Amino acid sequence: QSVLTQPPSVSGAPGQRVTISCTGSSSNIGAGYDVHWYQQLPGTAPKLLIHGNNNRPSGVPDRFSGSKSGTSASLAISGLQAEDEADYYCQSYDRSLSGHVFGTGTEVTVL
Amino acid sequence: EVQLSESGGGLAQPGGSLRLSCAASGFTFSGYAMTWVRQAPGKGLEWVSAVSRGGDTTYYAESVKGRFTVSRDNSKNTVFLQLNSLRVEDTAIYYCAKEILVGRSTYFERWGQGTLVTVSS
Repeated sequence: QSVLTQPPSVSGAPGQRVTISCTGSSSNIGAGYDVHWYQQLPGTAPKLLIHGNNNRPSGVPDRFSGSKSGTSASLAISGLQAEDEADYYCQSYDRSLSGHVFGTGTEVTVL
Repeated sequence: EVQLSESGGGLAQPGGSLRLSCAASGFTFSGYAMTWVRQAPGKGLEWVSAVSRGGDTTYYAESVKGRFTVSRDNSKNTVFLQLNSLRVEDTAIYYCAKEILVGRSTYFERWGQGTLVTVSS
């Protein structure tokens, strides 16, 4: 049972902008721990997409952006492309659990 | 290029054991903590365990504490996960990942391809 909640699915037409929320609590995101995001294409291992709330590793398109406020964070994908169809997970640290935690995951579908 | 390659997965009976390995290359292995994450079939990601750079400090999720043991051999650039007292609910793909620590936050910069553990009688 994850302590970070994400919507099960979001969808959008090519070129549109979609956002994925990641809702936590005062023991994780609200405690000041950064949020990181991973993309998992079908049948593959997760890949780092955003680290430190809003930083993109080299090679990640600037269509992907992150933000954090209070006990929540968001991932935005602008100019949606067919290749963006994947599962997306947020990740942070929970001081009550003394461990890393992942979000429930969101499936992005390009219509 | 950073590469992580897991091995050791397979079929085990409930109550049985397996030892997973993760061979690393392309970076100074002893300079980074390493983590294990698992994913049950059709489910989300679950952090399992982590080991410090020198191997002297280990961390576990409550779901595996007392049953799994993480270790590393920096001379062989390899991290291990010993799985004991396996349960059906431990069935998952197990990934190893390279940790990056920034301030007091950790993220997983690079992942292996995973190894499948199936626990069934």
